[in-house]
Parts: sequence; structure tokens; C-alpha cells
Amino acid sequence: GNSVTQMEGPVTLSEEAFLTINCTYTATGYPSLFWYVQYPGEGLQLLLKATKADDKGSNKGFEATYRKETTSFHLEKGSVQVSDSAVYFCALYDAGRRALTFGSGTRLQVQP
Amino acid sequence: DVKVTQSSRYLVKRTGEKVFLECVQDMDHENMFWYRQDPGLGLRLIYFSYDVKMKEKGDIPEGYSVSREKKERFSLILESASTNQTSMYLCASRATGDNYEQYFGPGTRLTVT
Repeated sequence: GNSVTQMEGPVTLSEEAFLTINCTYTATGYPSLFWYVQYPGEGLQLLLKATKADDKGSNKGFEATYRKETTSFHLEKGSVQVSDSAVYFCALYDAGRRALTFGSGTRLQVQP
Repeated sequence: DVKVTQSSRYLVKRTGEKVFLECVQDMDHENMFWYRQDPGLGLRLIYFSYDVKMKEKGDIPEGYSVSREKKERFSLILESASTNQTSMYLCASRATGDNYEQYFGPGTRLTVT
């Protein structure tokens, strides 16, 4: 079946550091890929998405590129802020179930 | 502003009680979902529904049931709550199609004592 693997957290960075959160997937075909973010005490919200190979999704300074060769969708940001502290989830669209399959989440802590 | 609302943010129930978690969306979405979120396990799909009165089992349906009598409302039922059902429960809705955003409610933190 389809699955998503994310790097273990927590990831602790200083403000203005470069961020990478790794995400790889296993799926049939080329599913749409998503990054969701969950701020403390809130539900998940969409951060960015990519619907086909080589697409780059971007939002709020975050970027991720759909790499079919490596089945990856790594999340990057050039300079993190304290306000980016949250849990980040990578997900793919499972067409068979018409539902998203999520990774286990990666907690990011940014220190001033 | 699109919205998915859940009936409670926090809930405390006793073992053996029947528990109802309600979810309402105002976006006329066909698809609705119930997940539970546990540390280190991410989000696991319990049940989903792609139409009124339709339901499909997700990855962990045991101990749960659902009801969808109206398009905007999707209820999760714990027939006899147990302590291992203590968790954060997230409802979501989504339009049909492979690149549409899935919208989430704020979650209900359920504690079963």
C-alpha cells in the first residue's frame, strides 16, 4: 500500500537557520503530494502542494520539489523564525481511498 | 472563510461510556474523514465517507462507528470507550479530486478514564 516516511523529530534550530525536513513516499503512480503544518493547539492546515513530477510547491518561504526519481518531497526554508515552530506532516493523495495518507510528523522547534 | 467545526475541544469520559464526536463542514464537500493523532504515529485514518449514508473503513476502524445522515455532518461514535482510545481526534473534509485541499477541524482531545 501507499506510505509516507518522514525524518524523526524533534528538529531544533536557531532563528535564521536553514531548514530541511525529509519526506519520501511509496506509491503506485505519481500521486499529488502535500505538506501540512499544525501549530500548537490547532488543527492541520495546508502549507504547500505539488501535483506532478518536478513541480515545486511554495508558501510562506517554504518550498518542496516533487522528485519522482528519488520518490521524495523534502521541505526546505532558507531562514526559519520562532513562529515556524510547529509539527509538519508530509502526505500523499491515495486515489484508491480518495483520502490522504500522512507521515508521522516532524516537530520543529526554533529558538531565538 | 471555510470551516470545519468539531463539537468539543476537550472531552473526558469514563470507560464503557458511549461517546459521540460531531463534525460539521460548511463547504459542501462530498468527502469527510475521521483521524486520530497520537505521538510518533502521525494521523491514522479511522473512517471516511464520500457521500451521504456512505462510509468506508480506514486503517484502524475497530472500536469505532460513524454516521453521515446529512452532507455537512459526520459523526464518530465510540460504542464503549476504552482507555486506549484516549487520543486527539481530527475531522476533515475535502472536495472530490486528487489535488484539492483537505480542511481540518481544530480537533477534540478525548480522555477516557
